[in-house]
Amino acid sequence: NAGVMQNPRHLVRRRGQEARLRCSPMKGHSHVYWYRQLPEEGLKFMVYLQKENIIDESGMPKERFSAEFPKEGPSILRIQQVVRGDSAAYFCASSQLTGGADTQYFGPGTRLTVL
Amino acid sequence: KNEVEQSPQNLTAQEGEFITINCSYSVGISALHWLQQHPGGGIVSLFMLSSGKKKHGRLIATINIQEKHSSLHITASHPRDSAVYICAVSPDETSGSRLTFGEGTQLTVNP
Repeated sequence: NAGVMQNPRHLVRRRGQEARLRCSPMKGHSHVYWYRQLPEEGLKFMVYLQKENIIDESGMPKERFSAEFPKEGPSILRIQQVVRGDSAAYFCASSQLTGGADTQYFGPGTRLTVL
Repeated sequence: KNEVEQSPQNLTAQEGEFITINCSYSVGISALHWLQQHPGGGIVSLFMLSSGKKKHGRLIATINIQEKHSSLHITASHPRDSAVYICAVSPDETSGSRLTFGEGTQLTVNP
């Protein structure tokens, strides 16, 4: 049973470009969470999704960031017009049940570098 | 003040020592999680607990709900235990399913 998969593992973008980060949850998991870890900082919640629904996006920056989890395919975190401050590690996690009462399994992360 | 506070921030130990990392939180929770982040960045879930104590190998996690405090213990520490240990809480049922994290404890175990 494959774990949570994220790709790419490393992504380099120039300022103003778009970044697309993909997350495939563990088989049988329908809950996906995105977290961001800025350099030398702790993990911070961004967004919680179920299939075709955004459940909680209270941690998402108001502009340039969006997330989706379509009926088919991986969850996508999209960052438009990237800036240097977006450089961070972005982790996806998945759970089988509502996360408040269930273990979340983390992917290996995508390291985004904005030049 | 952060909702989740860990101590110490950094901890250096000699191989074989007993290690304790502490976590205090200030919000209602449905569960508390201990995570391990390897030097390469990968994150592994060690424990999820809502009461009492759990043990897995040389790792023990305890939680006191009344005092809003949890501890992670490592017995007979080994250099391969060197990692960042992160405490995280799942808010109570009315607040959704996101995790709120402590800043992490950097553990270094020397041979």
